[in-house]
Parts: sequence; C-alpha cells; structure tokens
Amino acid sequence: QSVLTQPPSLSGAPGQRVTISCTGSSSNIGAGYDVHWYHQLPGTAPKLLIYDNTNRPSGVPDRFSGSKSGTSASLAITGLQAEDEADYYCQSYDSSLSGSVVFGGGTKLTVL
Amino acid sequence: EVQLVESGGGLVQPGGSLRLSCAASGFTFSSYWMSWVRQAPGKGLEWVANIKQDGSDKYYVDSVKGRFTISRDNAKNSLYLQMNSLRAEDTAVYYCAAFMVNWFDPWGQGTLVTVSS
Repeated sequence: QSVLTQPPSLSGAPGQRVTISCTGSSSNIGAGYDVHWYHQLPGTAPKLLIYDNTNRPSGVPDRFSGSKSGTSASLAITGLQAEDEADYYCQSYDSSLSGSVVFGGGTKLTVL
Repeated sequence: EVQLVESGGGLVQPGGSLRLSCAASGFTFSSYWMSWVRQAPGKGLEWVANIKQDGSDKYYVDSVKGRFTISRDNAKNSLYLQMNSLRAEDTAVYYCAAFMVNWFDPWGQGTLVTVSS
C-alpha cells in the first residue's frame, strides 16, 4: 500500500483531457511538501514531468500541467496523444518516515 | 549530455551480496544529492536511499536499513549501492538518479537485480 494514492488505471481518447489524482495525508502533501510527477514509457526509465507541483522542465510540452490543493495533487494532460500512453507516478516527502521520499502507486494511462 | 549509467546487477542467491555502481557524466556530480530508486517487476517505484553531496548524510527506506549501504566517490563521479543479506523481495530494477532539491532528475537506465536460488 503506497503512502500516496493514485488510480491504478485511466483511459482517454486522442484529443481528450485526463486528470490523474494523487491523494496523500497530513504528513506528506497536506504538510506542505511539494509534489513531483514522472512518466515511464514501457521498458524505459522514469522521466521527470512536473516538479514543485506546477513546474515543467525544459522540453516538456505545455499539454502537461500540475496542481496541488490540501492533501491532494493532480496531473492534467490535455490534447491526449498516443505517445502519452505510459505509467505516471507522483512523488513527495513524508515526515512520519525518517528521510523518506514517497511515491504513489502509479497510474497506467491508456490512449484509446 | 547528462548521463547516468548503472552496472553491477545480476542473479544472486538469497543471503548473498551485490554491489551496484552508477557512473555520472555531463553535470557536476559532486554538487548534488544522489539516490537509488528501485522497481520490482510489474510494480511501482520505491525510493531506496539518498546520499548528500559529500557523503556525510545518508538515508534509507526502512526495509533496507542495516543491509544496504549507499556511498559515492566524487573524484570518480560514481555512486554505489552495497547490498548485503539480499532477499527475494529485493528483486527489482535499480535506478540511479540525481536528487535535485526534492525530485529525481535525471535517471539512469537501470540495472536488474534478481535474488533467487
């Protein structure tokens, strides 16, 4: 059981908008710790998608956006494309676990 | 080009040991915290360990404390993970990553560790 909860799977048609949620608690996201997002294409290493809740690294399309509120965070993908089919993970820090970085369980996004 | 290349994975028996290495290039290795993150087959990501720039601070996930040791050699731009008393549940792809403030970027391509008799 992951400290951060994500839906195991989501799907959307090309061109649609999807949102992936990441739900935490008062010891992680709710405590003010920032949330970061990664995507992982099949057979490859994870890659940073969003850092510090809302920021996109250079090269990440503006179709990807992040937000955070209370004990939750979200990743939105607009104009869904076939190449967006991947696993998505949120990541934060949890103060109840010494030195602990925590990940969500991951969401498999399928583009129909 | 920023690059992290892991090596040292393989098949090891339960109770055995393995040492992973990660060679960094294209950035000032000594300026960043570094980390190991693992992914069991078909499962999600799990942070394993972090080490400070000068190696003075180290943190581990509870499940590996006392068994794994993270270290680094800034002169060689290299990160290591010494894994002892390996268990079946340690089977995973192990990724080396730079820990940029509070997030991981970049990541290496990973090295597979299989613990099995």
